Amino acid sequence: GEDVEQSLFLSVREGDSSVINCTYTDSSSTYLYWYKQEPGAGLQLLTYIFSNMDMKQDQRLTVLLNKKDKHLSLRIADTQTGDSAIYFCAETDSSASKIIFGSGTRLSIRP
Amino acid sequence: NAGVMQNPRHLVRRRGQEARLRCSPMKGHSHVYWYRQLPEEGLKFMVYLQKENIIDESGMPKERFSAEFPKEGPSILRIQQVVRGDSAAYFCASSLSGTDLYEQYFGPGTRLTVT
Repeated sequence: GEDVEQSLFLSVREGDSSVINCTYTDSSSTYLYWYKQEPGAGLQLLTYIFSNMDMKQDQRLTVLLNKKDKHLSLRIADTQTGDSAIYFCAETDSSASKIIFGSGTRLSIRP
Repeated sequence: NAGVMQNPRHLVRRRGQEARLRCSPMKGHSHVYWYRQLPEEGLKFMVYLQKENIIDESGMPKERFSAEFPKEGPSILRIQQVVRGDSAAYFCASSLSGTDLYEQYFGPGTRLTVT
């Protein structure tokens, strides 16, 4: 079945770049997503990428997709304290009827 | 334009009671999805509904859980005879179309605590 995996924790210094990595198993994924969840809040869609793209950039966010290795990454440039949150990697399943989520990476920022 | 609304935001139930979670999709959206997030885990798909129809319930537990999305009114996720393991955050999402999942908008969630 489909599976999405990501590391549980990442700690970076304020001002540095954060890179959050994710691997997935469904080679027929149509869209891949990054969501942000702040404590006690719902999910905010940060960005998504179509499976036929290699890269997408949106202000401080850069998404890289390596379809051969089924690897997705999210880079946050100039990381700020407001970026502290849990970041979920996700994909649509092959039937495109639901979103499959990873377990989330908790990003913490050091001063 | 109000986003996806869920209520209550927090719900406490004793073991054996029923929990009813409500979700009002964004205006004009006729596709609703329910997800469950256990503590320290990601979201797991439960069920996908269109108005008056269940499209995909492959993530729903076989017993005690049911969902509906009537022609009028919010979508309801019902959990009968709750147990401690049902304690989780339940998120609803809605979309205009069932094919453009990148347009799936999430509500703030209902946090269910079973005591």
